[in-house]
Amino acid sequence: AQKITQTQPGMFVQEKEAVTLDCTYDTSDPSYGLFWYKQPSSGEMIFLIYQGSYDQQNATEGRYSLNFQKARKSANLVISASQLGDSAMYFCAMTRMDSSYKLIFGSGTRLLVRP
Amino acid sequence: ETGVTQTPRHLVMGMTNKKSLKCEQHLGHNAMYWYKQSAKKPLELMFVYNFKEQTENNSVPSRFSPECPNSSHLFLHLHTLQPEDSALYLCASSQVSENTEAFFGQGTRLTVV
Repeated sequence: AQKITQTQPGMFVQEKEAVTLDCTYDTSDPSYGLFWYKQPSSGEMIFLIYQGSYDQQNATEGRYSLNFQKARKSANLVISASQLGDSAMYFCAMTRMDSSYKLIFGSGTRLLVRP
Repeated sequence: ETGVTQTPRHLVMGMTNKKSLKCEQHLGHNAMYWYKQSAKKPLELMFVYNFKEQTENNSVPSRFSPECPNSSHLFLHLHTLQPEDSALYLCASSQVSENTEAFFGQGTRLTVV
């Protein structure tokens, strides 16, 4: 069975600084995908970044980068130059890369960006 | 409209009522999902539909009844709910054959009184 663990229920960061949100996972599948989503107070889940288990390089999307350490089974999200609008819940998720695609989520981290 | 649309955004219902949540996706995806998000709990996958066929039911009580008439529409029919069913219900869609992200709607905030 797959499992996602996010050990930081809440995080603070100063505006314009970088912050790392932790995510570890457990799976026996050889092929899987890792995702990060942002959920503002409005409720919608917004996709941020994706990392495939066979990708050689860490994924980057603008200010978001994923620190993928396969041996440690970790997929931490790094947000650079934090903005006030980054304040939200952040969820790490994973799925098997086969026809049974279904996202399993961690418990989330609430990020608050201070001005 | 684009993306994934859920209606209504907010719903208050009594325990004896019957209501339905609607989800519509305009992305051409072949899979749709219902998730439940309760306070202080991870998102729980409820149902999965691939090509209109239900492929997953994560031990969801029968008072929740999903319906997928076509690949673009997904419903969640509710009846005789309990107060603990109050939560944010999120619909999502994805393209199963590709390693891509799922797209979510804004959710329906359900309160059972």
